[in-house]
Amino acid sequence: AQKVTQAQTEISVVEKEDVTLDCVYETRDTTYYLFWYKQPPSGELVFLIRRNSFDEQNEISGRYSWNFQKSTSSFNFTITASQVVDSAVYFCALSEAPRQNFVFGPGTRLSVLP
Amino acid sequence: GAVVSQHPSRVICKSGTSVKIECRSLDFQATTMFWYRQFPKQSLMLMATSNEGSKATYEQGVEKDKFLINHASLTLSTLTVTSAHPEDSSFYICSARHTGYEQYFGPGTRLTVT
Repeated sequence: AQKVTQAQTEISVVEKEDVTLDCVYETRDTTYYLFWYKQPPSGELVFLIRRNSFDEQNEISGRYSWNFQKSTSSFNFTITASQVVDSAVYFCALSEAPRQNFVFGPGTRLSVLP
Repeated sequence: GAVVSQHPSRVICKSGTSVKIECRSLDFQATTMFWYRQFPKQSLMLMATSNEGSKATYEQGVEKDKFLINHASLTLSTLTVTSAHPEDSSFYICSARHTGYEQYFGPGTRLTVT
């Protein structure tokens, strides 16, 4: 069965600190996709990244970076030099064939304090 | 990227009435759309999978007679909450599958039942 775990329910950091959000997933499929979404108070999901199961390269996009390790079934997300605008709930999600619906983790609420 | 819209963005209705939520893919055709529900401070949970021209597939625990889904065209799926009750108050988000594993989320509809 598919499952996504985000062990950190809430994280609070001070601006400019680095922060890592953990994501661990379970799947029996060899082909799957992992995602990270940001959900600000407005509720709309903001797409951050999609990574397929065959691509374990880490990715960096500005202050954001992702570490995908199949050996530990983890797909962690790091924000470098956090800013107040990064405050939101972050969801890790898994999608696999054939239905391709998303299974979301419980989310991590990040608060960045000035 | 592709755009998915939802209408209305917010709706307040009285207990016992029905409310319809529309999900449209604006610039692509979507044979499959998904409906998710998010209660306050919780994660998104899949309610049903909507396939164009066929009956929706509901997740366990979701009442198909209460949450009517119609996917009459390749760009429109509707979710009707019948005989709404306060416990149906939630944030409803749809997603539309584009190609392969590409999916796009709508901005969500916040339903409040008084």
